[in-house]
Amino acid sequence: AQKVTQAQTEISVVEKEDVTLDCVYETRDTTYYLFWYKQPPSGELVFLIRRNSFDEQNEISGRYSWNFQKSTSSFNFTITASQVVDSAVYFCALSEANAGGTSYGKLTFGQGTILTVHP
Amino acid sequence: DGGITQSPKYLFRKEGQNVTLSCEQNLNHDAMYWYRQDPGQGLRLIYYSQIVNDFQKGDIAEGYSVSREKKESFPLTVTSAQKNPTAFYLCASRATRGSFYEQYFGPGTRLTVT
Repeated sequence: AQKVTQAQTEISVVEKEDVTLDCVYETRDTTYYLFWYKQPPSGELVFLIRRNSFDEQNEISGRYSWNFQKSTSSFNFTITASQVVDSAVYFCALSEANAGGTSYGKLTFGQGTILTVHP
Repeated sequence: DGGITQSPKYLFRKEGQNVTLSCEQNLNHDAMYWYRQDPGQGLRLIYYSQIVNDFQKGDIAEGYSVSREKKESFPLTVTSAQKNPTAFYLCASRATRGSFYEQYFGPGTRLTVT
């Protein structure tokens, strides 16, 4: 069975601090996809990034960066120079895929990390 | 604008009543999903559908039913058999042709049953 663990329930930082959100996953599949979503107070989940299991390159997008390490089954998310607008719940999720890379797309979510950025 | 709409945003029902949550998408996505979110928890999959007239149970389907008569629509009925229906319900859709794509979510419906 697949499992995603976000051990940090809540994180509180002051604006401009860097913050890293941890995500550890478990799966028996050799092909899978990892995701990060942001849930602001409005409730809608906003897609941030998708990474497949064959691509271990780190990615940077503006103030956001992601570190994928298969050896430790981790997919951590770092926000550099945090801002008040970054305050939200962040979810890490995992989806299985068959060898052809297709799947039903079912997502297994972590519990979420509540990030609060204070001015 | 393309997107996913869920209505209403807040829904109140008395215990013992069935209630149907609406989900419509104009993204031309084949796959659609329903998730449930409880306070302080991640999302759990209720039902999903890959194509019209076909759907499968997710991890917590008991007490719920769905239909997929049109590509754009995937309504969820919360029946009186659902023991703890009060929750935040999120609908999502995903393109399935070609590469692997992420799910896009609607704004959610917060259901309160008393």
